[in-house]
Amino acid sequence: DIVMTQSPDSLAVSLGERATINCKSSQSVLYSSNNKNYFAWYQQKPGQPPKLLIYWASTRQSGVPDRFSGSGSETDFTLTISSLQAEDVAVYYCQQYYNIPRTFGQGTRVEIK
Amino acid sequence: EVQLLESGGGLVQPGGSLRLSCAASGLIFSSYVMNWVRQAPGKGLEWVSGISGSDGSAYYADSVKGRFTISRDNSKNTLYLQMNSLRAEDTAIYYCAKGGSTVTTGLFDYWGQGTLVTVSS
Repeated sequence: DIVMTQSPDSLAVSLGERATINCKSSQSVLYSSNNKNYFAWYQQKPGQPPKLLIYWASTRQSGVPDRFSGSGSETDFTLTISSLQAEDVAVYYCQQYYNIPRTFGQGTRVEIK
Repeated sequence: EVQLLESGGGLVQPGGSLRLSCAASGLIFSSYVMNWVRQAPGKGLEWVSGISGSDGSAYYADSVKGRFTISRDNSKNTLYLQMNSLRAEDTAIYYCAKGGSTVTTGLFDYWGQGTLVTVSS
């Protein structure tokens, strides 16, 4: 199974400041035949189901604010919130869909400093 | 608008069985892979099982293989999860999640609100 490891486990950022979350996979999730990373980011607010933010490592889901961006390739990925808003307080998860079983990172809790 | 509504959760004793359902609307149900993802209280996300839309091929996490069975009825736009030999560690919120049009596109772009399964004596 591909193990997804996020860092940090939690972070506190001031409103309007940048938040950066990292995710490392235990093997590459880049499919060479189409040059796509089979990798996604999700946001989960308290009491709600997860919401897809980013897929193919850097493509924003429809309706997701452009302050959210994803980058990285193969085994190392980053989710950046360029200017943290109060509504961004949540737990963020990375996920690989390169193979089965689909696996998630342990989650990163983002709070307001 | 895609909507997924889970039902069937509840309290069950260890060793017991439960059947979850997920009613889908706002999509061509048979065109998509459908999944179950669970979240133990206060914990992270764990993919449980997925089933393709076309040929019904099913996939399972090792933790549930042999105990859980995923199925779908495309005529009723409904996904199911039959859970047998339940254990305390199966206690979780179970989410129904829509996948891509093929098994290879294994992201989850729509989620239901979830149904809570509690395994306890």
